[in-house]
Amino acid sequence: QVQLQQWGAGLLKPSETLSLTCAVQGGSFTAYGWTWIRQPPGKGLEWISEIYYTGSTTYSPSLKSRVTMSVDTSKKQFSLQLRSVTAADTAVYYCARALRGLSARMDHWGQGTLVTVST
Amino acid sequence: DIQLTQSPSFLAASVGDRVTITCRASQAISSFLAWYQQRPGNAPKLLIFGASTLQSGVPSRFSGSGSGTEFTLTISSLQPEDFATYYCQQLNSYPRTFGQGTKLEIK
Repeated sequence: QVQLQQWGAGLLKPSETLSLTCAVQGGSFTAYGWTWIRQPPGKGLEWISEIYYTGSTTYSPSLKSRVTMSVDTSKKQFSLQLRSVTAADTAVYYCARALRGLSARMDHWGQGTLVTVST
Repeated sequence: DIQLTQSPSFLAASVGDRVTITCRASQAISSFLAWYQQRPGNAPKLLIFGASTLQSGVPSRFSGSGSGTEFTLTISSLQPEDFATYYCQQLNSYPRTFGQGTKLEIK
């Protein structure tokens, strides 16, 4: 059974760097893409980025200048860093497994991490 | 970026009702569309992918249709656990955008 377990700091000050990690339990790590999605309180979902085990990444244009994803295949983990955060980055951040091609979808999600940016 | 517009944004219905939610894409995305259900405090749950393929374990009262720019999610007979927010997502191109959501409430 596939499970995604995520963790990271939940309270940041403006200008700090958000750092989250997601560990994959069960299933293949190399056959899928690994993504981050966020959801501001009371609002909709925003796709942030995707990475493959090779390290190949795709970022949302709106966040590309501040985002870095990385992957550790040996630990079956992937990470998100978002630099220079502001209050607008306050959100629940989710990691998820992604498939491409004709069956493209995000079929397994982490439990979510609320990240609050406040002075 | 491909924009997805869901309608309606809010929907009030009763247990046993048949409901339909529409998702329109700003450009053609073939059948690269997924639907998710999100209950309060929980992560989204995949319901349908490829516009019409039911994810394993999802009840058959959920169905999806469409291709190109117009898609629908139908729940044939609402159950109490179906009252939630529903999102469509396009997976035709990056960034993988979502619709704004449809909140389904009990009438």
